[in-house]
Amino acid sequence: GQQLNQSPQSMFIQEGEDVSMNCTSSSIFNTWLWYKQDPGEGPVLLIALYKAGELTSNGRLTAQFGITRKDSFLNISASIPSDVGIYFCAGQFRASNTGKLIFGQGTTLQVKP
Amino acid sequence: DTEVTQTPKHLVMGMTNKKSLKCEQHMGHRAMYWYKQKAKKPPELMFVYSYEKLSINESVPSRFSPECPNSSLLNLHLHALQPEDSALYLCASSQVPLAGGPNEQFFGPGTRLTVL
Repeated sequence: GQQLNQSPQSMFIQEGEDVSMNCTSSSIFNTWLWYKQDPGEGPVLLIALYKAGELTSNGRLTAQFGITRKDSFLNISASIPSDVGIYFCAGQFRASNTGKLIFGQGTTLQVKP
Repeated sequence: DTEVTQTPKHLVMGMTNKKSLKCEQHMGHRAMYWYKQKAKKPPELMFVYSYEKLSINESVPSRFSPECPNSSLLNLHLHALQPEDSALYLCASSQVPLAGGPNEQFFGPGTRLTVL
């Protein structure tokens, strides 16, 4: 089936550092979503993107919908310990009306105080 | 506070038991989803309901039986499960997806299921 390539797979950074992760697809998407999941909890929607080139911020988080519609990145600035978790990108195909999202494999973020 | 709630939080069951997972959303959404998630993996779609009708079944074994009694509630009935079915079961809701339209799915906290 369709897959998203999400990288890096894991990151271990110092508190205060900036973080960047990205997802790429072989197909065109019309929606990119970024989720964060804490251990034992459900994913929480961080940012939703709907237009090619769109750049959206949510506090210290910034995400962009790639111009080619096949990629997206998420940046976290000035990381703090509570940023620890697994970050998933998810995309929806351009013509899809099924509600099916394609998920990346996740980026595990660890922050050292 | 999440507007998608799930009960129970944890469930342990034997392979011969029958149990049900429950999900409720208060967001006015008319699409609801069941996902299965293994540790450190992304959620895997199981079922989609749109306007209380089953629209997608991702070839899920019949020992999982979904039910959508009304627009706010979604159940997952479990019977004769196997140990490999142990996982985090997530419910999500969204506006009814339209071609080219938004599909922001909001997840509940999940039910941690252990099958002995």
